[in-house]
Amino acid sequence: GAVVSQHPSWVICKSGTSVKIECRSLDFQATTMFWYRQFPKQSLMLMATSNEGSKATYEQGVEKDKFLINHASLTLSTLTVTSAHPEDSSFYICSAESGGQPQHFGDGTRLSIL
Amino acid sequence: GQQLNQSPQSMFIQEGEDVSMNCTSSSIFNTWLWYKQDPGEGPVLLIALYKAGELTSNGRLTAQFGITRKDSFLNISASIPSDVGIYFCAGRRTTGANNLFFGTGTRLTVIP
Repeated sequence: GAVVSQHPSWVICKSGTSVKIECRSLDFQATTMFWYRQFPKQSLMLMATSNEGSKATYEQGVEKDKFLINHASLTLSTLTVTSAHPEDSSFYICSAESGGQPQHFGDGTRLSIL
Repeated sequence: GQQLNQSPQSMFIQEGEDVSMNCTSSSIFNTWLWYKQDPGEGPVLLIALYKAGELTSNGRLTAQFGITRKDSFLNISASIPSDVGIYFCAGRRTTGANNLFFGTGTRLTVIP
């Protein structure tokens, strides 16, 4: 089945640093990739949608300059949390889809900012 | 973004019992999906539904796309301990738009 790989799975860093999270579709070309944020015991909240080679579409309330998304190829999208602060600590999950098929999710990245 | 209303919020059941959970929305969806999420992992797709009235099974799981297109349910028969997790419904409005709207989740605990 479709496999989406997300890396790293867990990162701890100091406040003020930038963190890059990678999302790869391993066995299919993803026309669209999505980035979600999930707080403990809550549902997934869509942050942005990205199509290969074009700018990401951000959901209302998500800062574009804070959460930089690059989707350079059909198999790779990256999310960079810039100048991270403790309130950015969360579980970030990417997903990918192709040809109208259901989204398949990565295993998530737990980000902890000290 | 919009969230779907999912119930119950949590369930504690005995191993072997059947489970039923549902998802409702004020909006019409053209696709309903059910995912399961284990702690510290991403959601895994269980069942996808594409037509109103559709009833689809995947092993012990059965899901239906409501005829009004505003709801869906998921049943799990003869529950086992590994069914523990959080179950999310998700809806997509049109085939042209990719956005999924997620339910609030049902946390299932199976008591051996």
